[in-house]
This record gives sequence, C-alpha cells and structure tokens, in this order.
Amino acid sequence: QKEVEQNSGPLSVPEGAIASLNCTYSDRVSQSFFWYRQYSGKSPELIMSIYSNGDKEDGRFTAQLNKASQYVSLLIRDSQPSDSATYLCAVRGNNRLAFGKGNQVVVIP
Amino acid sequence: EAGVVQSPRYKIIEKKQPVAFWCNPISGHNTLYWYLQNLGQGPELLIRYENEEAVDDSQLPKDRFSAERLKGVDSTLKIQPAELGDSAVYLCASSYRASYNEQFFGPGTRLTVL
Repeated sequence: QKEVEQNSGPLSVPEGAIASLNCTYSDRVSQSFFWYRQYSGKSPELIMSIYSNGDKEDGRFTAQLNKASQYVSLLIRDSQPSDSATYLCAVRGNNRLAFGKGNQVVVIP
Repeated sequence: EAGVVQSPRYKIIEKKQPVAFWCNPISGHNTLYWYLQNLGQGPELLIRYENEEAVDDSQLPKDRFSAERLKGVDSTLKIQPAELGDSAVYLCASSYRASYNEQFFGPGTRLTVL
C-alpha cells in the first residue's frame, strides 16, 4: 500500500462549480497534512496545510481532515480557470513529506 | 525574498554520461531537500540535508547518485553514469528547519537521457 493515495482521474468542473479532491494515507501517526498546487511545467506550491481534525478554510479553499479514517480532502469553491492544475496531497512523518501522485483539475469556462 | 534557485533548467545528455544539478536555497533555510519527480507522479525524496549533514539519504541510489552541501548553503546532486530511467524532473526544496512545515520548491531541472 502506498503511503499517500490519490486515486481519482482527471476532474473536469465548470467554472463556478465546486471541485472536490480526496486523499488517503497509511501512516496513522502522521500529524501534518498539505495540499500543493502544481501548474504544468512548474514546481509545487503550498496552498493549504491542516493539522487537526475538522475543516480549515482559506479563501475559496477548504481542507478537511479525518484522522480516524485517515482521509484528507480539498474543496475548491467557485472554481476559476486559473485553478486548472494538478493538486498534490502530502503527508509529513519523520520530517519527510510523502506525496500522492496528484489529481489533475480542469476548469471549463 | 529570492526563492530557491536551480540550474540548469534543462539538460539533455546521452546515457552513461555524468550530469550535475545545482541548488541554492532560500537564505537562512537550514534544511535542503532533493526530490525526483517522474511524469504523472508526485515528488519522491532523494536526500535531506540539515545544514551540511545528510540526515536522510535512504532513498538515494548510491551506486550512481551522490550529493554534497559542503558549506551548508548551496548543494550539488550528481548522477554518474546516467541511465535512460533517470529522465525526470529534479526538484530542490528548502525550509527553515526540518520541523518547519512549509517547504519551498525551486523551478526544477528537467533531465532527458538519450
């Protein structure tokens, strides 16, 4: 089992809709969880971090964490064409970040 | 504040040739990371430095890969000899310290081995 799994294929959403991304992780002792955005040909950029169960909102982004289910999600409200990118889930343990393979989001104008 | 600097941005070499990548982290960042990213995958850690000490190199293929950070600032990652399967993007990242959560990534070096 991979440490961090993002199994959904490319996600196409109309402009203004909500994009929902999911991530599961295998190490129960993980304490820090992150979402990175990576535009094509660019490097990853941190957009959200979450450390405790529940929701964390930052602008149009909401991260949700459920440690019991080992599940992290990212919601993008009012999706914009500029949100078209690959979103990487990352989990930190032992001072090392483990990344999922990412989910591509395409926002259709 | 200047970001993480990497060079070259692109490199094309023939298999069995050596190649080196350079990284200068954000000023004041003690922790430096080298990652490898294959197409369609997330970054995978190769090595982590705390100042000049390599504290996590368990994922580094030591038969052909080497790295150094002699003065605890900039770093070089080398591959000798390169193989076709080494074609990937090599990302450098830095953070204030390992326990500090945010890592800042450089633009990466895209390596193509022919």
